[in-house]
Amino acid sequence: NAGVMQNPRHLVRRRGQEARLRCSPMKGHSHVYWYRQLPEEGLKFMVYLQKENIIDESGMPKERFSAEFPKEGPSILRIQQVVRGDSAAYFCASSPRQGGRETQYFGPGTRLLVL
Amino acid sequence: GESVGLHLPTLSVQEGDNSIINCAYSNSASDYFIWYKQESGKGPQFIIDIRSNMDKRQGQRVTVLLNKTVKHLSLQIAATQPGDSAVYFCAEDIQGAQKLVFGQGTRLTINP
Repeated sequence: NAGVMQNPRHLVRRRGQEARLRCSPMKGHSHVYWYRQLPEEGLKFMVYLQKENIIDESGMPKERFSAEFPKEGPSILRIQQVVRGDSAAYFCASSPRQGGRETQYFGPGTRLLVL
Repeated sequence: GESVGLHLPTLSVQEGDNSIINCAYSNSASDYFIWYKQESGKGPQFIIDIRSNMDKRQGQRVTVLLNKTVKHLSLQIAATQPGDSAVYFCAEDIQGAQKLVFGQGTRLTINP
């Protein structure tokens, strides 16, 4: 059973470009979460999605960032007009369903570098 | 600010010794806690979790202790091995929000 998959693993963008990060949850998981990690820091929650629905986006910056989890295909975290401060590791996690305490399983992350 | 924090940013132990990694939290509404291990260049790996209605839970070579009175969580690793070298994070979930709050992490290094 494949784990959470993320691609690309490394992404280099110049300031002002767009970054698209993709996440495929574990098989059977319908909930996806995005977190951001700066060097030597813990992960910070960004957004929680179900298929075609955003459950909680309280950790998302108000501008330039968006996320979706369509009915078909991976979840996408999109960063428009990237700035150097967006450089970080972005991790996706998935869980089977809401209710109770569902363990979140993390992918390997995408390292974004903005030049 | 963060409601989950760690007392020590780094911990060095001898191979074969037991390791204890501590974590403090400040939100009394937190009711689910998880320990993750993160190796360099990888994503967090689930180790063990505990709900607030428990004070101890054991896994394979790991034990998590929860003291709600002082809002303290610890991870004990028995007979530490070189493969245990990593950064360890505690994380909390508040009332099923599924919005994990991570601490800053403790780097565990193993001395041969």
